[in-house]
Amino acid sequence: EDKVVQSPLSLVVHEGDTVTLNCSYEVTNFRSLLWYKQEKKAPTFLFMLTSSGIEKKSGRLSSILDKKELFSILNITATQTGDSAIYLCAVSRDTGNQFYFGTGTSLTVIP
Amino acid sequence: GAVVSQHPSRVICKSGTSVKIECRSLDFQATTMFWYRQFPKKSLMLMATSNEGSKATYEQGVEKDKFLINHASLTLSTLTVTSAHPEDSSFYICSARDPGTGNGGPLHFGNGTRLTVT
Repeated sequence: EDKVVQSPLSLVVHEGDTVTLNCSYEVTNFRSLLWYKQEKKAPTFLFMLTSSGIEKKSGRLSSILDKKELFSILNITATQTGDSAIYLCAVSRDTGNQFYFGTGTSLTVIP
Repeated sequence: GAVVSQHPSRVICKSGTSVKIECRSLDFQATTMFWYRQFPKKSLMLMATSNEGSKATYEQGVEKDKFLINHASLTLSTLTVTSAHPEDSSFYICSARDPGTGNGGPLHFGNGTRLTVT
């Protein structure tokens, strides 16, 4: 059975801390792994990863994929209160049309 | 960037009534759209894949007669919750992938519909 597992489920940190969010997966015919940030409404796209070992970076956020060990991490450095959100990991398979989401990590950054 | 519009954003209805939720891709054509359901503080659960011009594909455990999906055009998919009950209260989100981004490209989400059944 395909599954996507994220850890930790929730995390509370102080502003300025660095956090690492984890996503492991077991998916047949893996295509890509995506990270999303969800605040109050729709998830917003952060990164898409298809190849192992290539870091994607956007400002204070970065992510990398390990297709051998079947996991990805999302790093956030110098966290700010605006980073508080649920971070979702999703994996696509086969033709890339279907996406399966992990349980999400709820991040709270306190001042 | 690709935009997906979902309407309404919030709806309250009485038990036994039906509610229709619309999902539109605004600047691309989507032969496939996806409907998700999200419970409070939980992740997105894929309900069904909406296919333009053919029947939707439902995930295991999702009642197709309860959640009717119609994908009448390349830019519009609708989800109708029929004979709604309080346990159908949830956050429903649609999404689509811009085919111009290639296979496996990111999903773009609507803003979701908060359904409350009283």
